[in-house]
Amino acid sequence: EVQLVESGGGLVQPGRSLRLSCAASGFTFDDYAMHWVRQAPGKGLEWVSGISWNSGSIGYADSVKGRFTISRDNAKNSLYLQMNSLRAEDTALYYCAKDHFPRATPAPFDYWGQGTLVTVSS
Amino acid sequence: QSALTQPASVSGSPGQSITISCTGTSSDVGGYNYVSWYQQHPGKAPKLMIYDVSNRPSGVSNRFSGSKSGNTASLTISGLQAEDEADYYCSSYTSSSTDVFGTGTKVTVL
Repeated sequence: EVQLVESGGGLVQPGRSLRLSCAASGFTFDDYAMHWVRQAPGKGLEWVSGISWNSGSIGYADSVKGRFTISRDNAKNSLYLQMNSLRAEDTALYYCAKDHFPRATPAPFDYWGQGTLVTVSS
Repeated sequence: QSALTQPASVSGSPGQSITISCTGTSSDVGGYNYVSWYQQHPGKAPKLMIYDVSNRPSGVSNRFSGSKSGNTASLTISGLQAEDEADYYCSSYTSSSTDVFGTGTKVTVL
């Protein structure tokens, strides 16, 4: 069974940093691109960042470019999101999501975690 | 990277068909056959319903279908059921090698 479990969320002051993690199991992690998608309270989905199976291709939404860094450790079946210079508008539930097709770009997201909540407030 | 445009809400009676539109540009929806649709019930993670414009993942009801014309994609739900009441989001690959979601549509079953 595919499982994606996010962690690392919490309350953080504006301008500070936070690192999110996503532990994956139930599939061959290093065959699939992975993504972070966020959802502000009561709002819609926003794609944040994606990373290919071998970290050779990385993309960011304009809203986080230069502040967030996505990475993965295939040996640990883990995905990460380093978030720096956090702003109030980064407050959201952050989901980790898996690509539907192995080693393919682009691909839809077929499995999602339950999310980890990040609140940026003083 | 502007969000794709969806109607805020669509409603229908049980058994009816409804269609949700998703309008983008030639740099996303119109330029690629990589449009997906997701269903999200309150407090739950999104679920993939349609990918590559019109393909259904295994396990998704054939009451859900997708299509595209120009810069607008559409999701049709036929034989509307109470369990279909949820938020629906489209998404598309873009010319910037990123993904973009739609603004979301709340489907109400009357």
